[in-house]
Amino acid sequence: DAKTTQPTSMDCAEGRAANLPCNHSTISGNEYVYWYRQIHSQGPQYIIHGLKNNETNEMASLIITEDRKSSTLILPHATLRDTAVYYCIATRPNGNKLVFGAGTILRVKS
Amino acid sequence: EAQVTQNPRYLITVTGKKLTVTCSQNMNHEYMSWYRQDPGLGLRQIYYSMNVEVTDKGDVPEGYKVSRKEKRNFPLILESPSPNQTSLYFCASSFLPDTEAFFGQGTRLTVV
Repeated sequence: DAKTTQPTSMDCAEGRAANLPCNHSTISGNEYVYWYRQIHSQGPQYIIHGLKNNETNEMASLIITEDRKSSTLILPHATLRDTAVYYCIATRPNGNKLVFGAGTILRVKS
Repeated sequence: EAQVTQNPRYLITVTGKKLTVTCSQNMNHEYMSWYRQDPGLGLRQIYYSMNVEVTDKGDVPEGYKVSRKEKRNFPLILESPSPNQTSLYFCASSFLPDTEAFFGQGTRLTVV
């Protein structure tokens, strides 16, 4: 699995878009980018994943650069309940193992 | 409601007393796994199962056992717990390799 690098922490104002970057410069052609989040010691929650096209669902948007070396998770209108640790994972789709790094602590402030 | 259910949520036990943490999913997923989470070490996979009667070791399997006799259940067994197994444990399941994984709410285990 490709190594990912994320900022340690970020702050965002409530109601504004939260843009969380992730660097995965060694990603290989068959590795997907997954995003999960973990709210205060609860089980991690899947957010979104993609291969090379931008993706959007009801929770977030995922923007992957053309060279696939980095991506950005966008929460369009952050709320206080979005305060969590966000994990970016680059992995082959084997369903067996997710390698979680330290992630980004996102603090949404009113 | 689609969910992964772990029990118990909290457990304090003594060294050497066998225990089982249960995990059940209602989504007919083939893939299930166990993780432990420790401060500074993140989430690490203990064991995983690709289907009924098919299990394999993850990154930190020592001191743990699992079984997969039914598709929906994947219990984690600690035959002789030790204090270094004090941790927060999560069970996860997914349907296909490239689909989202669902996690349980966690079991906080303390071994004294």
